[in-house]
Amino acid sequence: QKEVEQNSGPLSVPEGAIASLNCTYSDRGSQSFFWYRQYSGKSPELIMFIYSNGDKEDGRFTAQLNKASQYVSLLIRDSQPSDSATYLCAGVNSGYALNFGKGTSLLVTP
Amino acid sequence: GAGVSQSPSNKVTEKGKDVELRCDPISGHTALYWYRQSLGQGLEFLIYFQGNSAPDKSGLPSDRFSAERTGGSVSTLTIQRTQQEDSAVYLCASSLFSGQGVYLGQPQHFGDGTRLSIL
Repeated sequence: QKEVEQNSGPLSVPEGAIASLNCTYSDRGSQSFFWYRQYSGKSPELIMFIYSNGDKEDGRFTAQLNKASQYVSLLIRDSQPSDSATYLCAGVNSGYALNFGKGTSLLVTP
Repeated sequence: GAGVSQSPSNKVTEKGKDVELRCDPISGHTALYWYRQSLGQGLEFLIYFQGNSAPDKSGLPSDRFSAERTGGSVSTLTIQRTQQEDSAVYLCASSLFSGQGVYLGQPQHFGDGTRLSIL
């Protein structure tokens, strides 16, 4: 079974702090990684995707990928209460099906 | 532009009945995917379409599940003789062409899902 592992949380951070969400994967063939945000009762919303080792920044979000360590992370700077949600990490091996972790619950407290 | 559209948004049916779930992808997206999310579980891949063909049906849980896509657009997921364990949110996603041998994978955009409850 090719796993994507995430700490279920909840991860609690104060408003304005940096939230760090982590993900590890077992399939060395995974090439691309995606971060989705899912509010309770809603569908997943794409936040970031990353294909290459290193960092990718988009606004308050930074995705980091380390293929040697099989590790993906998402940093959220200046966290807001509206960022409170479940964050899903997903990897792709063969170019289509997303292999999802079970998600990390983030709570940003005012 | 319009996102992925799914219908119905909610479906309640009796055990043993057949159900059809519909997905209308983003215009221009040739790849279409079905996933399901059970309570407290992660998203589970069901099937992938490229155009009208389904090169990967590996995630379909049993032969009671089938899916088709016509005109390279709308897709229908059919569950026959529903069981209580079929209760879940069924999510459809679409993307630009993923491409066989193209390993990068295109970002997938999800619809709002169909919440299926089997009594």
